[in-house]
Amino acid sequence: GENVEQHPSTLSVQEGDSAVIKCTYSDSASNYFPWYKQELGKGPQLIIDIRSNVGEKKDQRIAVTLNKTAKHFSLHITETQPEDSAVYFCAAYTGTASKLTFGTGTRLQVTL
Amino acid sequence: DSGVTQTPKHLITATGQRVTLRCSPRSGDLSVYWYQQSLDQGLQFLIQYYNGEERAKGNILERFSAQQFPDLHSELNLSSLELGDSALYFCASSVGAKGYNEQFFGPGTRLTVL
Repeated sequence: GENVEQHPSTLSVQEGDSAVIKCTYSDSASNYFPWYKQELGKGPQLIIDIRSNVGEKKDQRIAVTLNKTAKHFSLHITETQPEDSAVYFCAAYTGTASKLTFGTGTRLQVTL
Repeated sequence: DSGVTQTPKHLITATGQRVTLRCSPRSGDLSVYWYQQSLDQGLQFLIQYYNGEERAKGNILERFSAQQFPDLHSELNLSSLELGDSALYFCASSVGAKGYNEQFFGPGTRLTVL
């Protein structure tokens, strides 16, 4: 089945700096890659997603890139703010299994 | 607020017991997904229902079962509970049957098995 690896597990950046989180997946049939943000005591919330026919997608300070050949995708957050502090999860959707497989999460801390 | 509601928020029970977790999807969503989040396993997909029918199955134990009712709310039943079942259980919902539709997560139920 699909296996998603996520790095780093923790990331500390200063306010205003950029943060990058990377994920790799194993199943070449995966075709949908969402990113979720989970704040303390809450459920995950979708922040951006990308489909396999697109190489890059941007939404204000957040961008995601996908390299299908290498089977990896990344989340880029620019001009980080303290409210960006949370745990971020990447995921990959495989149609054959009809399920989302999540990475292990990255705890992002934005310091003043 | 995602529009997905889950009850109860917290549940404390003993080993060997049975509990039921309840989820109400967003208005208009036909799919309900159940996930387990533990410290060592991360977010694991358990099962999906679409319009009352089981749609996809993940790493769900035989001691666990779920159903979706005609009003689209769903229940996850956990029986013969073990210490290792302690975790956060999330319900998510989406409009369509496919998992690549945006999934909206509820606030979760924290289960503690003593």
